[in-house]
Amino acid sequence: SQQGEEDPQALSIQEGENATMNCSYKTSINNLQWYRQNSGRGLVHLILIRSNEREKHSGRLRVTLDTSKKSSSLLITASRAADTASYFCATPNQAGTALIFGKGTTLSVSS
Amino acid sequence: DVKVTQSSRYLVKRTGEKVFLECVQDMDHENMFWYRQDPGLGLRLIYFSYDVKMKEKGDIPEGYSVSREKKERFSLILESASTNQTSMYLCASQGHTSSYNEQFFGPGTRLTVL
Repeated sequence: SQQGEEDPQALSIQEGENATMNCSYKTSINNLQWYRQNSGRGLVHLILIRSNEREKHSGRLRVTLDTSKKSSSLLITASRAADTASYFCATPNQAGTALIFGKGTTLSVSS
Repeated sequence: DVKVTQSSRYLVKRTGEKVFLECVQDMDHENMFWYRQDPGLGLRLIYFSYDVKMKEKGDIPEGYSVSREKKERFSLILESASTNQTSMYLCASQGHTSSYNEQFFGPGTRLTVL
């Protein structure tokens, strides 16, 4: 399967701490996307990083991409209770017509 | 803002019933997708459509069919619902075919088949 894999499956931290989640994928890609899903809701796009980029920032989010290792990480700095959600990485399928989503990391931020 | 709506948030059906899940997007997007989401399995693509009356199978099309008669509407059909189709169903749309384009998701329909 081309599906990416997030690690860890679950993460529990305190407010104010940083949260890091990782994604590994199997085939060559031209970009990787991260999405967030609040409990029982649809997914929301967070950030896209292209294969020629190594790092990208958006507010409290920092994404890295290592194409040689076929891996990406999402760092959320100074976590808040509102960051409690599941986070998914997604990569294009080989035809570039659809996205393949990983199984997700469930983040719990307690106050 | 793009809005993707799904006809029901929760649905309970009986085994063997024909089930229609409707999805509507309001941004004139070309591409639409249906996924199912199950614990431990993540999101899996059932079908997608890149134009009216066009459809492509995803990774798990068995037991499902789709219909796209109008650009804004993409329907998922379970011809004869079975208990193993109990799941969360998510619809998404995308501006046009490009792997760089983000997908916009609806709120999901939690289907229970008894």
